[in-house]
Amino acid sequence: DQQVKQNSPSLSVQEGRISILNCDYTNSMFDYFLWYKKYPAEGPTFLISISSIKDKNEDGRFTVFLNKSAKHLSLHIVPSQPGDSAVYFCAASAGTGNQFYFGTGTSLTVIP
Amino acid sequence: DSGVTQTPKHLITATGQRVTLRCSPRSGDLSVYWYQQSLDQGLQFLIQYYNGEERAKGNILERFSAQQFPDLHSELNLSSLELGDSALYFCASTPSRGSLETQYFGPGTRLLVL
Repeated sequence: DQQVKQNSPSLSVQEGRISILNCDYTNSMFDYFLWYKKYPAEGPTFLISISSIKDKNEDGRFTVFLNKSAKHLSLHIVPSQPGDSAVYFCAASAGTGNQFYFGTGTSLTVIP
Repeated sequence: DSGVTQTPKHLITATGQRVTLRCSPRSGDLSVYWYQQSLDQGLQFLIQYYNGEERAKGNILERFSAQQFPDLHSELNLSSLELGDSALYFCASTPSRGSLETQYFGPGTRLLVL
């Protein structure tokens, strides 16, 4: 049972435009959410996180939005750059000391 | 470089065989997590160890087992291998017992079962 879902396997965006990656979850106990970026032949690397007490967290060009009522989070990248082309995974956990659940990933291609 | 190392990088073996994947966490990290990523699948959590003890279990098959040693490195043992076990296996580490913090992933071991 996939508790974290990324329904778009791929996304293409022009350089300079906004990239919006979406993630939905089913477990209302999740209270910590993360985005990871993965390049080919490398492990995922942490990008940005948000806890359930917030609805937005910003770090440079990356902003994560959390809509708890809709059980939805999104990652905005503005402006998108070709180096952002990678697979993006969202992940969630419920409380401390618990396992992380990952989505299936969205492959982002930023076209120069 | 995340500081997490995994060996080997690639492994090719036959069905029915047994393999061992190794992970060294970041210096000082006590928790190690193992994940499997099959084709078109997300990262499936397998198992977590904290300071040598099993902490949480996910979708780990009975044919698979893991342990964490006193020096905190971990090994994932896969036995009676099947074609469907072909996947990328990642380990990740975190400093404490899993409080609100990120995991740092190794580069993965790509396993191909023929």
